Amino acid sequence: KQEVTQIPAALSVPEGENLVLNCSFTDSAIYNLQWFRQDPGKGLTSLLLIQSSQREQTSGRLNASLDKSSGRSTLYIAASQPGDSATYLCAGTGANSKLTFGKGITLSVRP
Amino acid sequence: GAVVSQHPSWVICKSGTSVKIECRSLDFQATTMFWYRQFPKQSLMLMATSNEGSKATYEQGVEKDKFLINHASLTLSTLTVTSAHPEDSSFYICSARWGPWGGGAEAFFGQGTRLTVV
Repeated sequence: KQEVTQIPAALSVPEGENLVLNCSFTDSAIYNLQWFRQDPGKGLTSLLLIQSSQREQTSGRLNASLDKSSGRSTLYIAASQPGDSATYLCAGTGANSKLTFGKGITLSVRP
Repeated sequence: GAVVSQHPSWVICKSGTSVKIECRSLDFQATTMFWYRQFPKQSLMLMATSNEGSKATYEQGVEKDKFLINHASLTLSTLTVTSAHPEDSSFYICSARWGPWGGGAEAFFGQGTRLTVV
């Protein structure tokens, strides 16, 4: 059974800092890995999707990497801004097409 | 990215009544839709998976007679919470995915529905 872990549960950084959010998973047989953003009381916004055959994806200030062999993915946020404050969740898609989510990392970017 | 619309965004109902939540894929045909439940400060818990025109597949521990799912078309799935009780109060989120089963298709999520049963 796939397990996805995100540590730490919360992170606070000053504005402008580059930061890395970590995600680990136990079953390397994933089709893809997605990173999402969730604002309080809202749904999920898809940030980046990395297929199992890919190593990384980039969108603006965001870069996500995937290392299936080690069961790890990272989300890199460059030049963080207060507007980046949210909960970031990673999720892996298994062979049954189901997403397994981590518990998320709540990020606070201080002005 | 693709848009998934979920309605209503919040609802308050009396104990014992039923509530229907709609999930629509606005600009693509969703071969598969998923319904999740999220408790405060917790991750998403998958409740069921539905494919258009077939019965939903429920996760272990989810009562199918209480949480009725209908995936009538490629753009609409509904979740009905029947005879709601306060313990059903939660945040419910739907997700839609295009593409083949088990493929690498991206999942898109609705805005979520906050259900409060009083």
